[in-house]
Amino acid sequence: DTGVSQDPRHKITKRGQNVTFRCDPISEHNRLYWYRQTLGQGPEFLTYFQNEAQLEKSRLLSDRFSAERPKGSFSTLEIQRTEQGDSAMYLCASSLYPGVERGASSTGELFFGEGSRLTVL
Amino acid sequence: KNQVEQSPQSLIILEGKNCTLQCNYTVSPFSNLRWYKQDTGRGPVSLTIMTFSENTKSNGRYTATLDADTKQSSLHITASQLSDSASYICVVSPRSGYALNFGKGTSLLVTP
Repeated sequence: DTGVSQDPRHKITKRGQNVTFRCDPISEHNRLYWYRQTLGQGPEFLTYFQNEAQLEKSRLLSDRFSAERPKGSFSTLEIQRTEQGDSAMYLCASSLYPGVERGASSTGELFFGEGSRLTVL
Repeated sequence: KNQVEQSPQSLIILEGKNCTLQCNYTVSPFSNLRWYKQDTGRGPVSLTIMTFSENTKSNGRYTATLDADTKQSSLHITASQLSDSASYICVVSPRSGYALNFGKGTSLLVTP
C-alpha cells in the first residue's frame, strides 16, 4: 500500500496521559499536514511541514501539542496531559508541492490517511 | 465566519435517484476547489479538483461544477448507490499560501 498510513487507528486513554500518533506519508511527497476533525465538522488545520521544517502551526495547537518530522519522512503528533476536549479524529495528509495541476501557487493534490481516532476518558 | 458554506447539512435519498450538493465560498482569490468524499470513520478521498478557469469536472457518476463569478460550486451525483452514503466536503484553496478552507460537509444517506 503506497498511500498515507496512520497509527494507531484508535486510541483510548485516560485524561492526563500522553499519546503519540504516527503518520507515514506517500514517499515522494514533501508536504505533510495534520488536521483535527470532530463529529459533524470539517477538518481543522493544526500544522504542516515541508520536508523536515515545520512551517506553520495553528492557534488550535496549544503547548500540549507537539509535532515533528525529523527526517522529512514520517511525522509524529504528541499530545501531552490529554483533556477530554482533545477527543477527535486526527488526520494526516501529504502532498507534492508545488502541485502539478494548473493554477498559481497550487498546494498540490492532498492525500489523506485513514485517521487516528482519540477518545479521552 | 467560515469561508466555505455547504448545503444542505444532511440529505436522504432513495437508491437510484440523483442529488445535488451545494458549496458557496468567499475565499478570494482562489486557486482551486476540491470535493472530497469521507466515509464514516475514514479519511477523506478526493473526487474532483477544479481550477478557477474550469467549469465542470466529472469522475464517474460524480460531476462537479464551478461558477467563479458567483463563487458557487455543486456536486451532482447520478444514479445514487448505497455506497454513496458518506459526508461530502468542499475545500477551497487560496491563490497564495498553504491554508485550505474546508466546509463542514453534507451528510448523504442513500436508502434502499
